[in-house]
Amino acid sequence: KAGVTQTPRYLIKTRGQQVTLSCSPISGHRSVSWYQQTPGQGLQFLFEYFSETQRNKGNFPGRFSGRQFSNSRSEMNVSTLELGDSALYLCASSPGTSGTDTQYFGPGTRLTVL
Amino acid sequence: GENVEQHPSTLSVQEGDSAVIKCTYSDSASNYFPWYKQELGKGPQLIIDIRSNVGEKKDQRIAVTLNKTAKHFSLHITETQPEDSAVYFCAASRDDYKLSFGAGTTVTVRA
Repeated sequence: KAGVTQTPRYLIKTRGQQVTLSCSPISGHRSVSWYQQTPGQGLQFLFEYFSETQRNKGNFPGRFSGRQFSNSRSEMNVSTLELGDSALYLCASSPGTSGTDTQYFGPGTRLTVL
Repeated sequence: GENVEQHPSTLSVQEGDSAVIKCTYSDSASNYFPWYKQELGKGPQLIIDIRSNVGEKKDQRIAVTLNKTAKHFSLHITETQPEDSAVYFCAASRDDYKLSFGAGTTVTVRA
């Protein structure tokens, strides 16, 4: 079974731009979660989607948004990029039937904001 | 919200020795505790997890123990090998699809 895939793997943007990251979950998984990983703040939860609905979100500004499609693929968008948004953005998928389902992570998208 | 503390931040062990990483959590409603291993350039990979109705779980050289009363859980790696060198993260969840992570432990296994 193929794992979680994320595209693109690397991205360079400048301040003020916006960016869209994509995640394809493991086949059959309906839940997709997004996390931000930085050296200073560690791994922080952004939001989780199941059946195209956001079920939970973390403490991030409204510039961070996401969505999920009917095939469970998910995208996250960051608008008006700031230098502090430079991070590894990780997507995780799970079956979604329980809040304690095992989450399987993708390789991440490395975003650099200049 | 949930606060997970992880110690130590770095750990250097001789090949063949054991490694122990400890985590504490603040939310007594947390009931799921996974451990992830992250190698350079890769996403976190689940190595073992434990749920609150179990006190200990073992998988070959890896074991996790949970003390719900004290709100702490630990990862034990025995007979360490060079390929065990990586960053290890503990996490906690209260059945809300959200993982709260510790800050990570960089483990170096010396040959």
